[in-house]
Amino acid sequence: QSVLTQPPSVSGAPGQRVTISCTGSSSNIGAGYDVHWYQQLPGTAPKLLIYGNSNRPSGVPDRFSGSKSGTSASLAITGLQAEDEADYYCQSYDSSLSVFGGGTKLTVL
Amino acid sequence: QLQLQESGPGLVKPSETLSLTCTVSGGSISSSSYYWGWIRQPPGKGLEWIGSIYYSGSTYYNPSLKSRVTISVDTSKNQFSLKLSSVTAADTAVYYCARLWPYSGYDADSYYFDYWGQGTLVTVSS
Repeated sequence: QSVLTQPPSVSGAPGQRVTISCTGSSSNIGAGYDVHWYQQLPGTAPKLLIYGNSNRPSGVPDRFSGSKSGTSASLAITGLQAEDEADYYCQSYDSSLSVFGGGTKLTVL
Repeated sequence: QLQLQESGPGLVKPSETLSLTCTVSGGSISSSSYYWGWIRQPPGKGLEWIGSIYYSGSTYYNPSLKSRVTISVDTSKNQFSLKLSSVTAADTAVYYCARLWPYSGYDADSYYFDYWGQGTLVTVSS
């Protein structure tokens, strides 16, 4: 299993708000390492969605936001759209080595 | 625009060595700012970081793969490579190469993957 724990799946109706959690421990998120998030559309490479807990790269809609507290982080998506249906991964560091969460499949109902 | 492209055999026999190369275009691999890395994704599963390399040759590896992994860099060709030895069916995956951009956090520094290759499927089978 992954060092960072994510729920396997979440779902929401168009227009709704969903959150995806990423739970770590004192050796990774709790040690002060920041969290980065990726979106992977079906059949494509992952794409950077959020870096440094809450920063959006150019071109990422402000419907996507991130936060971090203690040993956990969260990704929030508001105004859910059909095109948001994808897998989402958190990434951080543990003892100076990169680690990914297990991934969360977002289904737009 | 930076681009990364993986290349290598799509089929490898069990117990042999998997070899992939990532060619970087639109930028220099020799920049002092960032690392370059390999990530893999078994069919239907999540992402797994394999390892990262600096242009000088300094490397970091996933402890679970460290005994079988070698990542190297060829600055003259603007490429970096992955070798994974003694492969089994469990190594069947899409292999991605990516650039790691440094992020200076309040408490600690880290890297995130900002540019990715399209990925290449490697199947381990006899």
